[in-house]
Amino acid sequence: RKEVEQDPGPFNVPEGATVAFNCTYSNSASQSFFWYRQDCRKEPKLLMSVYSSGNEDGRFTAQLNRASQYISLLIRDSKLSDSATYLCAEKLNTGGFKTIFGAGTRLFVKA
Amino acid sequence: DAGITQSPRYKITETGRQVTLMCHQTWSHSYMFWYRQDLGHGLRLIYYSAAADITDKGEVPDGYVVSRSKTENFPLTLESATRSQTSVYFCASSESRLADYNEQFFGPGTRLTVL
Repeated sequence: RKEVEQDPGPFNVPEGATVAFNCTYSNSASQSFFWYRQDCRKEPKLLMSVYSSGNEDGRFTAQLNRASQYISLLIRDSKLSDSATYLCAEKLNTGGFKTIFGAGTRLFVKA
Repeated sequence: DAGITQSPRYKITETGRQVTLMCHQTWSHSYMFWYRQDLGHGLRLIYYSAAADITDKGEVPDGYVVSRSKTENFPLTLESATRSQTSVYFCASSESRLADYNEQFFGPGTRLTVL
């Protein structure tokens, strides 16, 4: 089993829709989780960190469910510009900064 | 310009040749990383470095060599390139302070094709 698993999609949604992605992780001791956004043929960029209490940034909400070992990303009122691949990441609790990334979920928002 | 840069951006080489991918950052970040990204696998860690002269293996280190003689540079060398090393390579850096949510900043990537 991969350490971090995501549904590859693609998710095809109309503008204005709400879409949610889940990402499961296998290391129960991990403390820190992230969502990165990657545009086609570009480098990943941090979208948001995922805090234990959950966090919201505008139209984006990230949640952590430790009992079931998954994190989620909710995008409300989707925009065309939200079309990208969303990578979840888990920073291992082994010291240092070793981070494991999922393979990504592709989102297409259409007009 | 400040930031993290990679060179070359595109490289075509032949099986058996040695190739070095360069990575340079201007933030004085202590941590630097090399990833490869392939369809279906996402980003996989090749090597990382906690500081100058300190490096450690990641998930897929075989066939790669790294060095870190200066904080700002972290070159990745493919000693004898193979077709399976055709990939997009990303370098990243991160601050050194001990915080759980330190972001990794990625370079623009190098697209390597091994014929």
